[in-house]
Amino acid sequence: GEDVEQSLFLSVREGDSSVINCTYTDSSSTYLYWYKQEPGAGLQLLTYIFSNMDMKQDQRLTVLLNKKDKHLSLRIADTQTGDSAIYFCAEIFDSGNTGKLIFGQGTTLQVKP
Amino acid sequence: ETGVTQTPRHLVMGMTNKKSLKCEQHLGHNAMYWYKQSAKKPLELMFVYNFKEQTENNSVPSRFSPECPNSSHLFLHLHTLQPEDSALYLCASSPEGGLAFFGQGTRLTVV
Repeated sequence: GEDVEQSLFLSVREGDSSVINCTYTDSSSTYLYWYKQEPGAGLQLLTYIFSNMDMKQDQRLTVLLNKKDKHLSLRIADTQTGDSAIYFCAEIFDSGNTGKLIFGQGTTLQVKP
Repeated sequence: ETGVTQTPRHLVMGMTNKKSLKCEQHLGHNAMYWYKQSAKKPLELMFVYNFKEQTENNSVPSRFSPECPNSSHLFLHLHTLQPEDSALYLCASSPEGGLAFFGQGTRLTVV
């Protein structure tokens, strides 16, 4: 079956690092994604990682992938109040010719000044 | 701006009304999706279209009726909805097996 799980809530102080964790089940996923959703808005693609990579860094964002444990994490360095949002982990589950994205429940990140 | 546009952004409808949600993309993507996001539930995939053909219907009630007249447009026709259908409806598009881009969503309230 296809399943993606995340913790529901994380609270950090401004300037600290945030780490959001995710576990997934489909080991054949080619891509794994992190999306951000601000209040009242749609999903914004933050970053993604190919399954043959262990790490990807993009400015303040670092994605770590542990394929053996099927564990994905997103680290946000120097977290700002503007980073407060819901963060969704997602994997592509190949279904015929179309990959469908399977999402976790989302982690609400609260950044305190 | 993701290149995927949804209209309207907000919609309030009665249980006997018929309305439609629209999604449009000019990114050259061949796959389009409808997702439903309810409070306190994971994002749920509703329908998938690939090259205008429906390839997935995730056990969605028939009061939701999708239409994909071409690869750039996707509609979700709504009729006789229930209050529990109130949610954020998100459209997305992607190239085959690739990165999905989402619209801003339509916030639907059924009264």
